[in-house]
Amino acid sequence: TQLLEQSPQFLSIQEGENLTVYCNSSSVFSSLQWYRQEPGEGPVLLVTVVTGGEVKKLKRLTFQFGDARKDSSLHITAAQPGDTGLYLCAGGSNYQLIWGAGTKLIIKP
Amino acid sequence: EAQVTQNPRYLITVTGKKLTVTCSQNMNHEYMSWYRQDPGLGLRQIYYSMNVEVTDKGDVPEGYKVSRKEKRNFPLILESPSPNQTSLYFCASSARTGPNSPLHFGNGTRLTVT
Repeated sequence: TQLLEQSPQFLSIQEGENLTVYCNSSSVFSSLQWYRQEPGEGPVLLVTVVTGGEVKKLKRLTFQFGDARKDSSLHITAAQPGDTGLYLCAGGSNYQLIWGAGTKLIIKP
Repeated sequence: EAQVTQNPRYLITVTGKKLTVTCSQNMNHEYMSWYRQDPGLGLRQIYYSMNVEVTDKGDVPEGYKVSRKEKRNFPLILESPSPNQTSLYFCASSARTGPNSPLHFGNGTRLTVT
């Protein structure tokens, strides 16, 4: 059974701090997607990474796919209250997506 | 506006009373899917459909039915709901099949079965 473990499960920090959340597996994935879900809404895609070692930036968010395509990280620089939400990673494998349980992030003003 | 629309947003029902949650997308997407989201468990796939009249079971299909008679609609049917189906449900669609395709989600249906 393929699993994606996200850590930490919960993170509460002050506005302006930096943070990194992780998405780890023992399995290799063909791609890794990151979504953000705000309360009362469905998940919204942030980025897809497909190449081992790939780094993508989305304003203050930096996404990295591990060299072996088994893990990924999301780094947020100078976090803002608008970054608050549930961050979900999903690994692509054999025509299906394997989902992590998510990291709940709260950015306090 | 491109979107996935689910109805209702909230539903409280009793054990055994059949219900249907509707899902419609206006993006002409081939792939549609239903998920349930429970605390600590993430998103679990219930059923998916790769095209009209083509549906298949996901990871947790027991107690659910789906149909795909038209490309835009993918209703989720609970013939005899039970309390363990209390959950937050999401419909999603994608332009292509395959795990690299981005999913577009609806805003969810919060179901409570008493």
